[in-house]
Amino acid sequence: GNSVTQMEGPVTLSEEAFLTINCTYTATGYPSLFWYVQYPGEGLQLLLKATKADDKGSNKGFEATYRKETTSFHLEKGSVQVSDSAVYFCALSDWEYGNKLVFGAGTILRVKS
Amino acid sequence: KAGVTQTPRYLIKTRGQQVTLSCSPISGHRSVSWYQQTPGQGLQFLFEYFSETQRNKGNFPGRFSGRQFSNSRSEMNVSTLELGDSALYLCASSPSGGGSGPTYNEQFFGPGTRLTVL
Repeated sequence: GNSVTQMEGPVTLSEEAFLTINCTYTATGYPSLFWYVQYPGEGLQLLLKATKADDKGSNKGFEATYRKETTSFHLEKGSVQVSDSAVYFCALSDWEYGNKLVFGAGTILRVKS
Repeated sequence: KAGVTQTPRYLIKTRGQQVTLSCSPISGHRSVSWYQQTPGQGLQFLFEYFSETQRNKGNFPGRFSGRQFSNSRSEMNVSTLELGDSALYLCASSPSGGGSGPTYNEQFFGPGTRLTVL
């Protein structure tokens, strides 16, 4: 079945450092890929998405490129801020299963000032 | 436009009881999905409803059930609660029920209902 693997955390960075959170997936079809963010005590917010190979999703300085050849969708940001501290989830959606999202385990990001 | 609302936000029950959680989607959205979030298992898909019909179901026992009403509001029910059912239950709404092709309708998540089973 479909699955998502993302790097374990927590990831602790200093403000203005470069961020990479790795995400790889396994899927039988042609999934869409997403990054969601969860702040303490809140639900999930869609951060960015990519619906086909080589698409680049971007939002609020975060970027991720859909790499079919390496089945990856790594999240990057050039300069993190304290306000970026949250849990980040990589996810995929396969059309055969409607709106079902398959999530990775989540990566806690802590940014120190 | 109001977001996805879930009620109640917090709930404490004891083993063996049953519980009903409610989700009101964004106006005009017809698809509602439910997820369970726990520290051990992460985010797991429970089921999705579209136009009052269950479209997909995850790997959960029959104690977990749901339904959707004609106004797209959804409820999920857990009977005979177990300690392991303690979790954050998240609801997500989407304009449509997915489908083929590259078009994707973003899912909007509610704040969740925190269920504690004692």
